[in-house]
Amino acid sequence: GAVVSQHPSRVICKSGTSVKIECRSLDFQATTMFWYRQFPKQSLMLMATSNEGSKATYEQGVEKDKFLINHASLTLSTLTVTSAHPEDSSFYICSARDRELDTQYFGPGTRLTVL
Amino acid sequence: QKEVEQNSGPLSVPEGAIASLNCTYSDRGSQSFFWYRQYSGKSPELIMFIYSNGDKEDGRFTAQLNKASQYVSLLIRDSQPSDSATYLCAVIWMDSSYKLIFGSGTRLLVRP
Repeated sequence: GAVVSQHPSRVICKSGTSVKIECRSLDFQATTMFWYRQFPKQSLMLMATSNEGSKATYEQGVEKDKFLINHASLTLSTLTVTSAHPEDSSFYICSARDRELDTQYFGPGTRLTVL
Repeated sequence: QKEVEQNSGPLSVPEGAIASLNCTYSDRGSQSFFWYRQYSGKSPELIMFIYSNGDKEDGRFTAQLNKASQYVSLLIRDSQPSDSATYLCAVIWMDSSYKLIFGSGTRLLVRP
């Protein structure tokens, strides 16, 4: 299947710092990428939809000024968690939509721990 | 309201048995359905997708879709301990935009 990479896989940071997570589709062009968050023993919650060349669409309750999304190319989307706090500690997973197959492939995830 | 419902489990089956995982969804307009497998601490892995009513088989996995009943299931034949994971049902919502909405997942335990 298609490959989606995510970097970094794990990050530990101090409260108040900003963290950038990269998501890349390696063998297909993804006009749409998605960012999910997953807390322990819970399902994936969609945070936002990232469209190449346009502003991201955020789900209700997700602060767009705190979670900055940039989709600068057909293979790269970034999520920046600004002024991170301990409650932002979670597993962040991106996915990329393969329009030809109409399926979504997930990156390996980034585990963020904010101290 | 968009909903994808799954029994959280755990569903426990002996090795070699058939595991049956079920999912219901609320949007009658949904056309595309997916099953993902997620091991603890890992991201979801696509197992199967199904678009048409009926059965779709891929190796030990069979997806079943009944749009009239708004029901999709996944059967795992000859279950192995390595199949122990959380299985997520996902449905594409096409209202104002494309979204993949997940159920809460069913945890499957395959006993050796």
